[in-house]
Amino acid sequence: QVQLVESGGGVVQPGVSLRLSCAASGFSFSTYGMHWVRQAPGKGLEWVAIIWYDGSKKYYADSVKGRLTISRDNSKNTLYLHFNSLRGEDTAVYYCAKDGVDMTGTWKYYFDSWGQGTLVTVSS
Amino acid sequence: QTVVTQEPSFSVSPGGTVTLTCGLSSGSVSSSYYPSWYQQTPGQAPRTLIYSTNTRSSGVPDRFSGSILGNKAALTITGAQADDESDYYCMLYIDTGIWVFGGGTKLTVL
Repeated sequence: QVQLVESGGGVVQPGVSLRLSCAASGFSFSTYGMHWVRQAPGKGLEWVAIIWYDGSKKYYADSVKGRLTISRDNSKNTLYLHFNSLRGEDTAVYYCAKDGVDMTGTWKYYFDSWGQGTLVTVSS
Repeated sequence: QTVVTQEPSFSVSPGGTVTLTCGLSSGSVSSSYYPSWYQQTPGQAPRTLIYSTNTRSSGVPDRFSGSILGNKAALTITGAQADDESDYYCMLYIDTGIWVFGGGTKLTVL
């Protein structure tokens, strides 16, 4: 079965860099787009970024554009999210999520599997 | 900036039926936005319920259904149970490489 395991979160100071990882298993990682979604404490879900199955395209939410970088290593079945300079408003649980397809394998623009999330707390 | 709207809260009696909606700050929601719905309980990851407006994700009971009602996407829960008490989020595919979640609806079953 699909398994997504995030890691790399913790308490960090403002301005530092950080890289989150999402280890994938149970599916053909290199054939699916992958997303990051975050949730600030007590708030709703916010889509953050997508990377195409082969890494050829990347898109970001306006709120993070220029500060976060999504990447992947298909040889390691791992998704990454790199923060250039963390801010307090980046404090959140970060989930990785797999692109959803229908029974025929057609992309349906939703997320069909989620990791358990990793908490990033930005505090001095 | 696109804003996806949801009722902040809703309540339903056990065994009752409730419909949660998902709209756009400007314009109508149609199937071309590929509306999807997610359920989340405190401290847990989201669970996928519905995609492409009305297709249930694997393992989701048929008392959850999706539709377009007027100019909004809708999630209907028929025969609500106590463990349906959760936060529900809709998500719309707005344009190439842009997904937006609604603010979520906190559903109380009492």
